[in-house]
Amino acid sequence: GENVEQHPSTLSVQEGDSAVIKCTYSDSASNYFPWYKQELGKGPQLIIDIRSNVGEKKDQRIAVTLNKTAKHFSLHITETQPEDSAVYFCAAIRYDYKLSFGAGTTVTVRA
Amino acid sequence: DARVTQTPRHKVTEMGQEVTMRCQPILGHNTVFWYRQTMMQGLELLAYFRNRAPLDDSGMPKDRFSAEMPDATLATLKIQPSEPRDSAVYFCASGSAGTSGTRRGQFFGPGTRLTVL
Repeated sequence: GENVEQHPSTLSVQEGDSAVIKCTYSDSASNYFPWYKQELGKGPQLIIDIRSNVGEKKDQRIAVTLNKTAKHFSLHITETQPEDSAVYFCAAIRYDYKLSFGAGTTVTVRA
Repeated sequence: DARVTQTPRHKVTEMGQEVTMRCQPILGHNTVFWYRQTMMQGLELLAYFRNRAPLDDSGMPKDRFSAEMPDATLATLKIQPSEPRDSAVYFCASGSAGTSGTRRGQFFGPGTRLTVL
């Protein structure tokens, strides 16, 4: 099955700096890659996604990039704010609906 | 603002008791998922349904867990009998499978925090 690895497991950044989280996947058949943000006591919230026919996608301060050849994708958060502090999960889907999640990255934005 | 709702939000029970968790998917979504989240295992898929039919429950311990969708607005996850190792947060998520096969995101509910003593 699909195996998604996510790095780093923790990330501390100064407010205003950028944060980058990287994920790799194993199955070249995976073609949809969502990112989730989970705040304490809440369910994961879909924040952005990218499909395998797109290399980059941006939504305000967040962007995702995908390198199909290398089988890795990344989340970039610019101008970080305290409310960006959360656990972020990457995920990948193959031809069915099974989401394979990364282990998560705990992001802390220092004021 | 369409959301997935789950009840109860918290449940404390004793070992051996039956536990039922309920989920109302987003109206119009045709796919429902049950996940379990623990510190050790992260997010694990337990079961998923499409158009109310179970497509995969391979992640679920069959001897004690069962999942159903009595109708399009209700999904249930039951544990009988419950054990302390079942303590976790259980999430329901719903999604929409496009007619062209386009995959879209899954939207998670707030979760049920289960503690089995």
